[in-house]
Amino acid sequence: AQSVTQLGSHVSVSEGALVLLRCNYSSSVPPYLFWYVQYPNQGLQLLLKYTTGATLVKGINGFEAEFKKSETSFHLTKPSAHMSDAAEYFCALTGTSYDKVIFGPGTSLSVIP
Amino acid sequence: EAGVTQFPSHSVIEKGQTVTLRCDPISGHDNLYWYRRVMGKEIKFLLHFVKESKQDESGMPNNRFLAERTGGTYSTLKVQPAELEDSGVYFCASSPQTTADTQYFGPGTRLTVL
Repeated sequence: AQSVTQLGSHVSVSEGALVLLRCNYSSSVPPYLFWYVQYPNQGLQLLLKYTTGATLVKGINGFEAEFKKSETSFHLTKPSAHMSDAAEYFCALTGTSYDKVIFGPGTSLSVIP
Repeated sequence: EAGVTQFPSHSVIEKGQTVTLRCDPISGHDNLYWYRRVMGKEIKFLLHFVKESKQDESGMPNNRFLAERTGGTYSTLKVQPAELEDSGVYFCASSPQTTADTQYFGPGTRLTVL
């Protein structure tokens, strides 16, 4: 069975500080991994994805994530938090291109001025 | 290029009533998916269309839910009769056949059953 866990349902960081959102997964097949973001009153937006190739993936708005197979992790980072980063972040995976997306429970990020 | 659109954005109904949610995928996307997030829980898969055919409906909770995709374009999700536990946000997503590894999500429909 496939699953995604996210450590911390709520994370607070100061503006300008490092953002680190943790994601671990379980999958019986090589997964495709994603981070989605949901800003207040908006839909889910794709931040970045890992399918194959380079394990360090860069996304929009300065975010990046590193796929570590040995640790079954796909943590999301951003060097310097901005107020506009306040949102809910979802780590997710699929087993194949056409497969349903398995979501983690989400992490709500607050940015303190 | 227009994104995935969903209508309505909010719906408030009473228990026992019927509600129909609509999703318009990105033009040309053969794959269409429905998901929902009930309060405090994870976003869960409901079903997957390829064009007008149901590819996977393993996530549909019960027979009160009926999804259709006429002509392989827009899709509707009907809940009849609605129950309190159906409250949540219903998301639609679509992807093309050629690069199906990424699903593009709509803004969701927030359904409240009183």
